[in-house]
Amino acid sequence: QKEVEQNSGPLSVPEGAIASLNCTYSDRVSQSFFWYRQYSGKSPELIMSIYSNGDKEDGRFTAQLNKASQYVSLLIRDSQPSDSATYLCAADSGGYNKLIFGAGTRLAVHP
Amino acid sequence: EAGVAQSPRYKIIEKRQSVAFWCNPISGHATLYWYQQILGQGPKLLIQFQNNGVVDDSQLPKDRFSAERLKGVDSTLKIQPAKLEDSAVYLCASSLRLSTEAFFGQGTRLTVV
Repeated sequence: QKEVEQNSGPLSVPEGAIASLNCTYSDRVSQSFFWYRQYSGKSPELIMSIYSNGDKEDGRFTAQLNKASQYVSLLIRDSQPSDSATYLCAADSGGYNKLIFGAGTRLAVHP
Repeated sequence: EAGVAQSPRYKIIEKRQSVAFWCNPISGHATLYWYQQILGQGPKLLIQFQNNGVVDDSQLPKDRFSAERLKGVDSTLKIQPAKLEDSAVYLCASSLRLSTEAFFGQGTRLTVV
């Protein structure tokens, strides 16, 4: 069983719409969750971190965490073509808190 | 604040040759990670250090890969001998401590021919 799972996409949304990206994790003791953005040919860039149940907002980005359902999501409001990238979900996992990534969801924002 | 530094940026080698990658983490960061990212896939954790101790290396192919983090700062990742399937981007990341935000270097793109 994969430890962090994401839909590979592509997720296609029109400019100005809300993009919703989802992630599930298998380790019930995971405490720290992260969203990264990765442009083609570049390294991952941290967007958001979330540690507690509920929502966390930062500009156009909102991360949501539901530990009971083992579910993390990222909402991008007012999507722009520059948001087109692969979004990686990560979680700490295992007794030694190793940082594990999902396969990523490719987002395409079209004008 | 300087970011995570990696070198080289690109490397092309023939199969069965050896190669080494270097990483200098953000100053003060105790946790250091090496990931392998194959095109179209998410980063796969190879090894994670806490200071100069290994936290996890369960996915490191130990018959050919080795890594060390001397004095709890810089780290090197070595492949010997390389195989065609080792062609990937090797990413180094660091975080202040376990389970906190990790920041990536630019990566090393390895091509094995």
